[in-house]
Amino acid sequence: DAKTTQPPSMDCAEGRAANLPCNHSTISGNEYVYWYRQIHSQGPQYIIHGLKNNETNEMASLIITEDRKSSTLILPHATLRDTAVYYCIVRTDYNQGGKLIFGQGTELSVKP
Amino acid sequence: EAGVVQSPRYKIIEKKQPVAFWCNPISGHNTLYWYRQNLGQGPELLIRYENEEAVDDSQLPKDRFSAERLKGVDSTLKIQPAELGDSAVYLCASSSARTGRGYTFGSGTRLTVV
Repeated sequence: DAKTTQPPSMDCAEGRAANLPCNHSTISGNEYVYWYRQIHSQGPQYIIHGLKNNETNEMASLIITEDRKSSTLILPHATLRDTAVYYCIVRTDYNQGGKLIFGQGTELSVKP
Repeated sequence: EAGVVQSPRYKIIEKKQPVAFWCNPISGHNTLYWYRQNLGQGPELLIRYENEEAVDDSQLPKDRFSAERLKGVDSTLKIQPAELGDSAVYLCASSSARTGRGYTFGSGTRLTVV
């Protein structure tokens, strides 16, 4: 079973920041937080992942709370092409056999 | 680099017929996964390969589903016979310990059983 809770849907205005929350209150110390997104008719696409520290890459920023029980994915300037389902996933390290278990995700709609 | 390649992109078959899906992972990725995604749901893991060995097939319905990964590269997922409830998108993904970026997914095969 998925170990995360996400709102089923969110709206965001084009050009504004999109902040997608995720609760993972039962996360273990060796589990990472991963974010993927899935645009209609495509396979899921990796966005970002983190363990304890906040992370940033060319696509997004990941903010993880100090107790690691929740996180927020931030798309700093959302565009219409960011409309997708966003999945928050916790998993153990690859070398420990960690696998991605998807939940329902958040359907983000970016509107003009 | 070339991504994960899946074929066919779409498949429509009658129930009780067999069907097969093919996946070519990213070169050098020793781990390969098959997922099934029902409409409106997140992907569900069916089987995981490490090279040619199936190390996690606990979610694979073994009465009608089978998979193989000969030579630890390409993989085939088969359903025989197909049922109406098998209609879904079948996704293949690959990864390696070197990437650290999780999995790379293919575009999937959309199966419709009529």
